Amino acid sequence: DQQVKQNSPSLSVQEGRISILNCDYTNSMFDYFLWYKKYPAEGPTFLISISSIKDKNEDGRFTVFLNKSAKHLSLHIVPSQPGDSAVYFCAASVNNAGNMLTFGGGTRLMVKP
Amino acid sequence: DAGITQSPRHKVTETGTPVTLRCHQTENHRYMYWYRQDPGHGLRLIHYSYGVKDTDKGEVSDGYSVSRSKTEDFLLTLESATSSQTSVYFCAISEFRGYEQYFGPGTRLTVT
Repeated sequence: DQQVKQNSPSLSVQEGRISILNCDYTNSMFDYFLWYKKYPAEGPTFLISISSIKDKNEDGRFTVFLNKSAKHLSLHIVPSQPGDSAVYFCAASVNNAGNMLTFGGGTRLMVKP
Repeated sequence: DAGITQSPRHKVTETGTPVTLRCHQTENHRYMYWYRQDPGHGLRLIHYSYGVKDTDKGEVSDGYSVSRSKTEDFLLTLESATSSQTSVYFCAISEFRGYEQYFGPGTRLTVT
């Protein structure tokens, strides 16, 4: 039973447009959420995070939105660039119950020039 | 970038042989983790360590053991490799509990 799900395995977007990657979770105890980006043959790199006390966090072209009532978060990339083409993983944790991150299955983003 | 190295980067081994993967960090972070990445499953936690000689199981620990005798090194051992353990293995570190983890470059293991 996957507690964190990314229902879209792939997404294709034109350069300059907005990319929206979605993530759903089932465990209401999750209180910290992260997005990672992964290029082929490399390890995942941390992108952006959000605490459950917030509903939005922004860092340059990247914004993460959290809807706790819907148990849904999304990552917006504006404007999208070809270098953003990668696999994106969302992850969640329960801060006061251990160190484990639970990852979604990933979404492959392709940004076309 | 966090100073994390993994060795070997690629390995092919036969079913039934023991395999040890090494993760080395230069950041002096307390927490270290081993994950495996498989298509459709994202990253799944195998074992983690919260200090020297302190380890605990993750989601998919069966068939794996770990050891941490020094802060900087975290070893993952497959006592008797099986084909289902063919995967890409990532080591990660974090400074604080529950916060961002930083990943190594990965080890691609093939069990034939």
